[in-house]
Amino acid sequence: DMKVTQMPRYLIKRMGENVLLECGQDMSHETMYWYRQDPGLGLQLIYISYDVDSNSEGDIPKGYRVSRKKREHFSLILDSAKTNQTSVYFCASSPGQNSDYTFGSGTRLLVI
Amino acid sequence: GDSVTQTEGQVALSEEDFLTIHCNYSASGYPALFWYVQYPGEGPQFLFRASRDKEKGSSRGFEATYDKGTTSFHLRKASVQESDSAVYYCALSDTNAYKVIFGKGTHLHVLP
Repeated sequence: DMKVTQMPRYLIKRMGENVLLECGQDMSHETMYWYRQDPGLGLQLIYISYDVDSNSEGDIPKGYRVSRKKREHFSLILDSAKTNQTSVYFCASSPGQNSDYTFGSGTRLLVI
Repeated sequence: GDSVTQTEGQVALSEEDFLTIHCNYSASGYPALFWYVQYPGEGPQFLFRASRDKEKGSSRGFEATYDKGTTSFHLRKASVQESDSAVYYCALSDTNAYKVIFGKGTHLHVLP
């Protein structure tokens, strides 16, 4: 079954804590993405990963970093979370250029 | 830079009504154009795509035609159902080709 799996689905953290969001895919897709989704703002690209250890900033990378050590796994890290990072985070993967994305079901993060 | 504009933030229809969601784009060359659908609590799902002028994409009764002359890719469905209630995103692949630019989304409410 071709899918993108995100863990955890829901997460509550205190301001200043570190946050790790994990994403896996079973399609051997080269390219993976992290987006956040906020009401009225749609989907905003945080980071792109073209393959293992080949990552590039998206449109809103500040306050985030990523790690991709295996093709099937892509992590988003928030060092010292802030309340304005409360959002729904989506991971996606695609096989290459001009290709459609497969999205995960999202992680709903609340920073208090 | 490349951009996607969805003019309707919300659309409310009754079952069996005809649906049009407008999408206009700004890009150089021939970007691939996409429609995605997002149901509550889930990630966006790929609906269909078109890659060249006058090409029609379609899926699940929805369709859109790539029109380079008017830079549009409007989503249409002849008869909507309550189960079509969701957020619809128009998107294009930018000159980078790995990155997809999403519109802000149109929330469709279909009343029984």
